[in-house]
Amino acid sequence: DAGITQSPRHKVTETGTPVTLRCHQTENHRYMYWYRQDPGHGLRLIHYSYGVKDTDKGEVSDGYSVSRSKTEDFLLTLESATSSQTSVYFCAISDRGQAEPQHFGDGTRLSIL
Amino acid sequence: RKEVEQDPGPFNVPEGATVAFNCTYSNSASQSFFWYRQDCRKEPKLLMSVYSSGNEDGRFTAQLNRASQYISLLIRDSKLSDSATYLCVVNRDDKIIFGKGTRLHILP
Repeated sequence: DAGITQSPRHKVTETGTPVTLRCHQTENHRYMYWYRQDPGHGLRLIHYSYGVKDTDKGEVSDGYSVSRSKTEDFLLTLESATSSQTSVYFCAISDRGQAEPQHFGDGTRLSIL
Repeated sequence: RKEVEQDPGPFNVPEGATVAFNCTYSNSASQSFFWYRQDCRKEPKLLMSVYSSGNEDGRFTAQLNRASQYISLLIRDSKLSDSATYLCVVNRDDKIIFGKGTRLHILP
């Protein structure tokens, strides 16, 4: 399995609080992605990164920001969490872009009360 | 029309049977195709890429029909461990789109 670690694995927090999710990879892959998965919607891309300090928006980026200061780490931040951001968040990596298969982390279950 | 569509199922299939499901895509410029498998409360995992000429990996066969814009996955001699959700994934212009998945239950 690809070396991808997401932390935390579970989190419960209150509306209005900031939340940061971390994705750490040991594969030295250039591309990293954040998705959310909700019933009825499937996987939706939030943001992705194509290198250190290089990021771009995905389909559902409103309310989220990301940072990538090192190849191995990609952070997803909810500046002021809302209940609509309750979801399962997956990090994924690929070496040469979205045209090739991505490998996923175990996911973070986030509940915003 | 949604860009990637799958029958959500569930498909309830007896162990040992053959099952097939399709995934349709709307954009003829789509370039690469994959099947992922996702177990309950787990991450998606790549099952196989789909090549133009069709490809097989053990009990699994994937095919691409560009004229009709669909890909298919065939599972032969199904096992209980094949129970999962199967996600169709389509790439176009370096943008990857996931289908919502087809749920498969293999019955003992």
